[in-house]
Amino acid sequence: GQQLNQSPQSMFIQEGEDVSMNCTSSSIFNTWLWYKQEPGEGPVLLIALYKAGELTSNGRLTAQFGITRKDSFLNISASIPSDVGIYFCAGPFSGGSNYKLTFGKGTLLTVNP
Amino acid sequence: EAGVAQSPRYKIIEKRQSVAFWCNPISGHATLYWYQQILGQGPKLLIQFQNNGVVDDSQLPKDRFSAERLKGVDSTLKIQPAKLEDSAVYLCASSFGTGGYREAFFGQGTRLTVV
Repeated sequence: GQQLNQSPQSMFIQEGEDVSMNCTSSSIFNTWLWYKQEPGEGPVLLIALYKAGELTSNGRLTAQFGITRKDSFLNISASIPSDVGIYFCAGPFSGGSNYKLTFGKGTLLTVNP
Repeated sequence: EAGVAQSPRYKIIEKRQSVAFWCNPISGHATLYWYQQILGQGPKLLIQFQNNGVVDDSQLPKDRFSAERLKGVDSTLKIQPAKLEDSAVYLCASSFGTGGYREAFFGQGTRLTVV
């Protein structure tokens, strides 16, 4: 079936530490999206990746599109308390000329001040 | 630029009642999605529209859920009759393109509680 596997499921870190999380797919993607969701809000797009091997930064966040096109990584440097939230990866499983934007189960990040 | 608008923010209904959610996507966005997010899980795609046509509704429980996107702009999602397991956040999202540009932007969601 169409699956996105995210790991780890949760992380507890100290403020100032770096964070790394990843996502793997059962299918080849041509797009990887990373979102952050805070309580009571919808997911907010952080980074979009469109090319295998691509490395893209957004402030302290850096994401990479894996060479195999079946995985992606998100790194957060020097974490701060406002980084707390659930981080989701998403990608388009394709079916013919259409695609279905599918999400992983998320990584819950807790940052201790 | 205005974001994706959803209403209501919260809804509490009894089981077997009906409920409807409304979504207004970002202007010019051709693709509109409805997701169901159960507590502790990632968003699950219910239905995806491209303009006013359905692209995918394979995970929509069609015996009780229905959705429409008239004129390719606003959309409504309806549940009739509701079950306890329908308690979730219903998220609407939209994206500009129908091909390679697939960045989807979300509304704040509607939190549904079925009692």
